[in-house]
Amino acid sequence: QKEVEQNSGPLSVPEGAIASLNCTYSDRGSQSFFWYRQYSGKSPELIMSIYSNGDKEDGRFTAQLNKASQYVSLLIRDSQPSDSATYLCAPRRDNYGQNFVFGPGTRLSVLP
Amino acid sequence: DAMVIQNPRYQVTQFGKPVTLSCSQTLNHNVMYWYQQKSSQAPKLLFHYYDKDFNNEADTPDNFQSRRPNTSFCFLDIRSPGLGDAAMYLCATSSATGGVGYTFGSGTRLTVV
Repeated sequence: QKEVEQNSGPLSVPEGAIASLNCTYSDRGSQSFFWYRQYSGKSPELIMSIYSNGDKEDGRFTAQLNKASQYVSLLIRDSQPSDSATYLCAPRRDNYGQNFVFGPGTRLSVLP
Repeated sequence: DAMVIQNPRYQVTQFGKPVTLSCSQTLNHNVMYWYQQKSSQAPKLLFHYYDKDFNNEADTPDNFQSRRPNTSFCFLDIRSPGLGDAAMYLCATSSATGGVGYTFGSGTRLTVV
């Protein structure tokens, strides 16, 4: 089993819709979870972090975490074409050095 | 602005010719990382420094080396680049305390000819 699994996509949604990106992880010791957005040819940028079970909202983004199910998701409301990118899920492996294991990423395409 | 800077943005090297990629940071972060990212794949951690302590990933080829002469700078040396080493190389930093994620540099795209 891979450490972090995501649907590779592409996930296509119409402009204005909700995009739902999912991630499962195998390391039960993961304590915090990060979502990065990566545009083609660019480096990843941090968009959301979540540490506790439940939902965390930041603008149009909502992260959801369920540690019992080892599942984390990212919802993007009112999706815009500028949201078209690859979204990387990154559970934090441990506290020392904050090592991340990145998921393979889900490519999102928001259609005008 | 505090940031992570990678040079050069694009690097072309010959097969087997040593090449060095550089990364500098003004964030004063303890930890610096090097990731390799190939097309349509997730970033793969090569190694990281926690202050001066070097931590190599088990599957990082010996062909890849790193140096961190001070807090601000970190270098990635590829001793004998092969065609399979063509990739985007990402430098990232983080603080050892707190729950923030990484700050990434803009990356160096390496082409091997």
